[in-house]
Amino acid sequence: GESVGLHLPTLSVQEGDNSIINCAYSNSASDYFIWYKQESGKGPQFIIDIRSNMDKRQGQRVTVLLNKTVKHLSLQIAATQPGDSAVYFCAERGDSSYKLIFGSGTRLLVRP
Amino acid sequence: EPEVTQTPSHQVTQMGQEVILRCVPISNHLYFYWYRQILGQKVEFLVSFYNNEISEKSEIFDDQFSVERPDGSNFTLKIRSTKLEDSAMYFCASSGWLAEAFFGQGTRLTVV
Repeated sequence: GESVGLHLPTLSVQEGDNSIINCAYSNSASDYFIWYKQESGKGPQFIIDIRSNMDKRQGQRVTVLLNKTVKHLSLQIAATQPGDSAVYFCAERGDSSYKLIFGSGTRLLVRP
Repeated sequence: EPEVTQTPSHQVTQMGQEVILRCVPISNHLYFYWYRQILGQKVEFLVSFYNNEISEKSEIFDDQFSVERPDGSNFTLKIRSTKLEDSAMYFCASSGWLAEAFFGQGTRLTVV
């Protein structure tokens, strides 16, 4: 399940700081968006989702923001912990489809 | 917590051989999917399956691929004649109606 790529963007943060991971999506007709976390050797793990009729949704330590005007999605992680180190993917889904289209991913590294 | 399970975790096969990847989706889910992730690349949609038939498939899912739900619990992906470029992590996922997809841990397929 490695998603390490030579060109994978990397965000390095200090433990305890907040992290912001960004994603640009492609289809203006997409109406549902998900953030997944992928640790090495594992499958994508659901973190949080948001529908297109919302612009913000909060979970436990995570917040997703959606800006449909510029087709931008962000994931904010509060008080980042070492266990948050992973690759994070955004995914979009159209209103007439159940398939997910994944973004390229961002590697989050948490410095102790 | 219910989870999607996949077997085997790693499969090595010779080029031209048939492989079957197996998945047990979450029991009350209705929609089933296969995705793949070539090393270093993003997760790509292969096929979705609902009500005992394919509901959507990607260009990757050509005649060499097939899916089946042989009983009430298993969901399989068959590759009839494997090619070197089929080497990847294959993820099974399942979801309820209009809900997030949950992924298994993946099967690493290596074609030699």
